[in-house]
Amino acid sequence: KAGVTQTPRYLIKTRGQQVTLSCSPISGHRSVSWYQQTPGQGLQFLFEYFSETQRNKGNFPGRFSGRQFSNSRSEMNVSTLELGDSALYLCASSPGGGDSPLHFGNGTRLTVT
Amino acid sequence: GESVGLHLPTLSVQEGDNSIINCAYSNSASDYFIWYKQESGKGPQFIIDIRSNMDKRQGQRVTVLLNKTVKHLSLQIAATQPGDSAVYFCAETTGKGAGTYKYIFGTGTRLKVLA
Repeated sequence: KAGVTQTPRYLIKTRGQQVTLSCSPISGHRSVSWYQQTPGQGLQFLFEYFSETQRNKGNFPGRFSGRQFSNSRSEMNVSTLELGDSALYLCASSPGGGDSPLHFGNGTRLTVT
Repeated sequence: GESVGLHLPTLSVQEGDNSIINCAYSNSASDYFIWYKQESGKGPQFIIDIRSNMDKRQGQRVTVLLNKTVKHLSLQIAATQPGDSAVYFCAETTGKGAGTYKYIFGTGTRLKVLA
């Protein structure tokens, strides 16, 4: 079974631009979650989508948004990029019950200059 | 507030020895715990999990122990190998019912295996 796939692996953007990251979950997984990982803050939860609906949201500004498609694939968007948005963005999928492990992709490394 | 923490940020272990990585959690209502391994340039990889109705679970070379009395979780790796060098995270889920649970991650412990 294929794992979680994230594209692109690397991105370099300048302040003020916007960016869209993509995630394809494991087949059959209906929940997709997004995390931001930085050396100083560790893994920070952004949001979770289940059956195309945002089910949970972390404490990030409205510049961070996401969506999920009918095939469970998900995208996240960051608008008006700031230097502090530089991070590894991780997508994770699971069946969605909260009692099974999240399966992570290898992330998208975003650098904002 | 809710948190999952680790006692040791870096652990150095001789190859062949056993490793023990510890984690403290603060929410006594958490009922599911997971250990992840993250190698450089990769996402976290699931190692082993345990539910709150258990206090021990074994996998291949790994054992997770859960002590609910003191809210402590540990990962034991037997016969540590160079390939075990990575950052290890514990995670807990809190909240009941679909849509209310959240996975909370610790800050991670770096395991260095010495040849």
